[in-house]
Amino acid sequence: NAGVTQTPKFRILKIGQSMTLQCTQDMNHNYMYWYRQDPGMGLKLIYYSVGAGITDKGEVPNGYNVSRSTTEDFPLRLELAAPSQTSVYFCASTNGPNTEAFFGQGTRLTVV
Amino acid sequence: GNSVTQMEGPVTLSEEAFLTINCTYTATGYPSLFWYVQYPGEGLQLLLKATKADDKGSNKGFEATYRKETTSFHLEKGSVQVSDSAVYFCAPKGRSPGGGNKLTFGTGTQLKVEL
Repeated sequence: NAGVTQTPKFRILKIGQSMTLQCTQDMNHNYMYWYRQDPGMGLKLIYYSVGAGITDKGEVPNGYNVSRSTTEDFPLRLELAAPSQTSVYFCASTNGPNTEAFFGQGTRLTVV
Repeated sequence: GNSVTQMEGPVTLSEEAFLTINCTYTATGYPSLFWYVQYPGEGLQLLLKATKADDKGSNKGFEATYRKETTSFHLEKGSVQVSDSAVYFCAPKGRSPGGGNKLTFGTGTQLKVEL
């Protein structure tokens, strides 16, 4: 009953470092999303994907990259970490346009 | 694309009080409507949903009715508990023109329930 799994749960990066946030789902969902949530704020869409090999920008894509080589995996890449990227990152997946979204538990990232 | 307007929080209530969190949306076509809840330190999870006009979604004592004429999906609960303290997100969801499925959320409404 894994659902959407995100790793790591916590990470501290230094300015300029890079890292990949992992997201895996075992529900065979075509649609996957990455969000960031700043303290006391709502969710902002970073990137999304409607199927393997297809990705598109959301509201705040700058400083991030994604890939979708398989249905299951949707990693988010930070190339040059900046303090403005300190946030909690959530991955989500859905089965179709009118179905519920399933969320991971989040990755709390701090850039110092 | 879809967008949503929720009442600003935090909303602070005493236990057993009546809750209403307003949500109005704009959307292309006929979206499904969802309420999600985020408990402290967790990701979002589905609370309830409605897929067509006049449908009522309900779960854990919460209810919301899909009002197409007013493009609203207000969340209500007759008697809140301390354990309902969380952030609530309204989300319309439907296919965007040209295909694809961009799922966006509003800012959410924080609910604090006190004894």
